[in-house]
Amino acid sequence: DAGVTQSPTHLIKTRGQHVTLRCSPISGHKSVSWYQQVLGQGPQFIFQYYEKEERGRGNFPDRFSARQFPNYSSELNVNALLLGDSALYLCASSFPERVEQFFGPGTRLTVL
Amino acid sequence: GEDVEQSLFLSVREGDSSVINCTYTDSSSTYLYWYKQEPGAGLQLLTYIFSNMDMKQDQRLTVLLNKKDKHLSLRIADTQTGDSAIYFCAESTPSNTGKLIFGQGTTLQVKP
Repeated sequence: DAGVTQSPTHLIKTRGQHVTLRCSPISGHKSVSWYQQVLGQGPQFIFQYYEKEERGRGNFPDRFSARQFPNYSSELNVNALLLGDSALYLCASSFPERVEQFFGPGTRLTVL
Repeated sequence: GEDVEQSLFLSVREGDSSVINCTYTDSSSTYLYWYKQEPGAGLQLLTYIFSNMDMKQDQRLTVLLNKKDKHLSLRIADTQTGDSAIYFCAESTPSNTGKLIFGQGTTLQVKP
């Protein structure tokens, strides 16, 4: 079975632009979580979605939004990009009744 | 509050045992996890332990949990050069949001 997939792999944007990152969960997984990992730090929780509903939100501004589609894939949107948004964005999927979260390879976002 | 702390760096010789330590502050944590991250990659789930357990062993990996001291450790037996990576400790919160709180990661260097 394929693992969690994310696209694109790398992305370069300029300040003020908007970005959309995509995630496809492992087949059968209905929960998707998004994390931001700044260089040299551990991942920080942004959102979790289950059955297209937001189940949890971390301490991120409203510029960050996400949604989940009927096939359980997900998009993370970031508006009005700042230099500090440069990071590795990780997506994780899980069965709703299981505790393991499996991560994708991430999207490396650079904001210039 | 929610905080997870790890030492930043550990160096061992190939064939030795490695012990990576982690402390956490949230006594209501339900599960504690160890993830491995190789350069430029996402996070690989190594193992996890339920908070009412003291120990879990999985092949070369042994997890010890001291709930009283809020201390978690990961022991890797017979450490190999392929074990060189960053290791993250994480805790889950009981709020059922799927949020994992990560430490800043311990870089393990294995010398031949």
